[in-house]
This record gives sequence, structure tokens and C-alpha cells, in this order.
Amino acid sequence: GAGVSQSPRYKVAKRGQDVALRCDPISGHVSLFWYQQALGQGPEFLTYFQNEAQLDKSGLPSDRFFAERPEGSVSTLKIQRTQQEDSAVYLCASSLAGMANTEAFFGQGTRLTVV
Amino acid sequence: DAKTTQPNSMESNEEEPVHLPCNHSTISGTDYIHWYRQLPSQGPEYVIHGLTSNVNNRMASLAIAEDRKSSTLILHRATLRDAAVYYCILRDRDYKLSFGAGTTVTVRA
Repeated sequence: GAGVSQSPRYKVAKRGQDVALRCDPISGHVSLFWYQQALGQGPEFLTYFQNEAQLDKSGLPSDRFFAERPEGSVSTLKIQRTQQEDSAVYLCASSLAGMANTEAFFGQGTRLTVV
Repeated sequence: DAKTTQPNSMESNEEEPVHLPCNHSTISGTDYIHWYRQLPSQGPEYVIHGLTSNVNNRMASLAIAEDRKSSTLILHRATLRDAAVYYCILRDRDYKLSFGAGTTVTVRA
């Protein structure tokens, strides 16, 4: 596809359930980012990959959050034992390189609701 | 992260220009100034970026002050589709984009 694709678009999870969110970046993009966006706020950085290497996971809020990108393309964000405070939109972005003068392309996000 | 300051909201009439200010008094010499916008229920969308010189593209213009402590995003003729939250972001060697609260732009028909 032409852009960053995320699936599912919407996910409702019961508290305590595990969820997996998928991101298909633009083909050939080296850098991949995950963000969390709470209602009415700007996106907050979660983690960054350069190819398959996770270079920064400083934004992951707890050890229940785990991200991987095993082959340097598709990435999965996993949340274990979901809590209500995990309800948010999860955004994935990719760019050709993680340099200051390159643009990032965002997907439409996955809206997670924990009930 | 270097900080930016933007007004919470701005209103404009359709087909009129919109000037969105951003203050970044602690900007470093290697920080690029990026602008993204987010339409309702969409992911953020790249608008424009620059370092020192003013920049133009099909979406907007970016005017950067000579001392680089402020910048202005200019939408030349606002349309209803330009209603969005606009984020001004500084990006250095640090690869991540650090979003603030942004400016909510409302366009009146």
C-alpha cells in the first residue's frame, strides 16, 4: 500500500486481556515509531526501531508493553493484562531514516478501549 | 527535548490566510522546525519543515525568524479541510518527534 497501515482500527478488550496491534510501515522505511495518544492530548512517544533493532523503548509505560519488529518491516505492539488506563489511540509512524530533516508518515491508528 | 509554545486555538474564515505562531526560544543550532497537523480521527500528517531559511510547499509556508527563536506556519487560503490540530515540533539528532498540545484551528465557512 501507499501509506502506513495499522490493524485493527478499533479494539475493545476486557480488563486483563492481552492485545496485539499491528503496523505495516511504508516499504523500505528504516525507522518505525509507536506513539500513544490519550483523548484530547498530543501523541506521546513509546518506542523506536531502526530496522529490527529496538533502539529506544524509554516511553513504554510499563513492562506490560512490548514491541517487536523481527524482520525489520512489520511491527507489533503487545499489551499484556490490559488496564483501563491503557485506553487510547496507538499510532505507528515510519520514515526513510531517523534523521532530523526527514518526514514521518503516520498510520490512522488503532483505538483501544479497555472495559 | 527543546520546548515549543503555541496558542491553544485559532479561528479563521474560509479562503483567508492563517498565521500560526510558534515560540522556541531554547532552540539549538541543529534543531529542525517541523510542523505536523492532525485532522479528526486521523494520524498526524507532515506539513513542512525548515532549518534557517523560509520554506514553501504545496500545503503551506514556513517563516523562520532570523534568530530562529520563533516561526510561523502560513496557510495561504484556509479551507474547511484545514480544520485540525497543528503541532510545532523541534527535531535534532534525536529521531523522535515530541508533540505538545498544538493549536486547534477552526475554519468558519
